[in-house]
Amino acid sequence: GAVVSQHPSWVICKSGTSVKIECRSLDFQATTMFWYRQFPKQSLMLMATSNEGSKATYEQGVEKDKFLINHASLTLSTLTVTSAHPEDSSFYICSANRQGSGSPLHFGNGTRLTVT
Amino acid sequence: TQLLEQSPQFLSIQEGENLTVYCNSSSVFSSLQWYRQEPGEGPVLLVTVVTGGEVKKLKRLTFQFGDARKDSSLHITAAQPGDTGLYLCAGGGNKLVFGAGTILRVKS
Repeated sequence: GAVVSQHPSWVICKSGTSVKIECRSLDFQATTMFWYRQFPKQSLMLMATSNEGSKATYEQGVEKDKFLINHASLTLSTLTVTSAHPEDSSFYICSANRQGSGSPLHFGNGTRLTVT
Repeated sequence: TQLLEQSPQFLSIQEGENLTVYCNSSSVFSSLQWYRQEPGEGPVLLVTVVTGGEVKKLKRLTFQFGDARKDSSLHITAAQPGDTGLYLCAGGGNKLVFGAGTILRVKS
């Protein structure tokens, strides 16, 4: 079964509003989670690394004020798309791995964001 | 920065045919992973290859890791419509680097 849960699976919002996406590790603790963005028929692009209890690390070209990341607990990271615009419409995916286990990443099922 | 070049980007074949997807880099990777992703879902891990020269089989899928750990291939034998999806290679530990992906379409 799924070990990383992402919510919501899809969301439609109006331009200018903010949207929060949750990523939860279901049966393990994750000090680090990762957020990706994916355009149709393209690969995953890493946006940022979410660190529990500290600031997220953003990849080059990703606006930290636009994509707010909070990792308040060992099982939850949130991505908030602030003042969303149609160009923010995309598929957002998170991933995590079991703390200290060295196991491969587990991915959430993604969130389809449509900004109208 | 480690980069992974994946080819082909798109493959449309008939049911029963064989195919190979390639993943190449100029960098050495400690391990490479292959994922399959269906529309509207997250990637699902198929296999991790760790040792240079390693070959792993998963039913009709055969994964190979190059001796120098710079490249990998995925070979599918007798493809079926259910194999349709986006195949991604990735490497680099937790902060994964993904290849561009291969969209596979198997027609019945």
